[in-house]
Amino acid sequence: SQQGEEDPQALSIQEGENATMNCSYKTSINNLQWYRQNSGRGLVHLILIRSNEREKHSGRLRVTLDTSKKSSSLLITASRAADTASYFCATDVQGAQKLVFGQGTRLTINP
Amino acid sequence: DAGVTQSPTHLIKTRGQQVTLRCSPKSGHDTVSWYQQALGQGPQFIFQYYEEEERQRGNFPDRFSGHQFPNYSSELNVNALLLGDSALYLCASSLDLAGDYNEQFFGPGTRLTVL
Repeated sequence: SQQGEEDPQALSIQEGENATMNCSYKTSINNLQWYRQNSGRGLVHLILIRSNEREKHSGRLRVTLDTSKKSSSLLITASRAADTASYFCATDVQGAQKLVFGQGTRLTINP
Repeated sequence: DAGVTQSPTHLIKTRGQQVTLRCSPKSGHDTVSWYQQALGQGPQFIFQYYEEEERQRGNFPDRFSGHQFPNYSSELNVNALLLGDSALYLCASSLDLAGDYNEQFFGPGTRLTVL
């Protein structure tokens, strides 16, 4: 079963706008990661945030983590057509040796 | 530096058949994890191999088995294929280090279609 739920399931915006995706999870975690997947291909690691961190930036990406609410958000600023992909959050569950993924948000950037 | 490679890229089988998928980890990595991703879903953890042993297993039946070789490469075997086994199978490798996190690098996947 999936650990998390992502919201929205699909998002369509215009190029240049910001895109925000949310992820909720159920159990205590070591860290939370965001991945991108283009057209059913392999997963590309975007960013990791540890359980003791609240916000992290990487280029046009900003991730927040609220462990009290068991939720995270991914913000992509100044979106580009090349950002069109599915985005997944994944949690590294404490005591486990595996990643538990959400169901993903399908992001479409319209030129 | 070669990343994670998987073979074959695509595979078509019929119900009841058996299939073997292969994965070569990123250079220097010693741990291999396998994930199944059904269409429109997130990946689901199947199992993880370290030091040629299955270290952790997800909620998959015994029809799913694996192996890790001394060179750290790995195979995923699925017996008695069902239509529901149609999915993208992803391999991820990592280096087992002390601490709370070992980053996993994913391969491009094998697309399995069961007819």
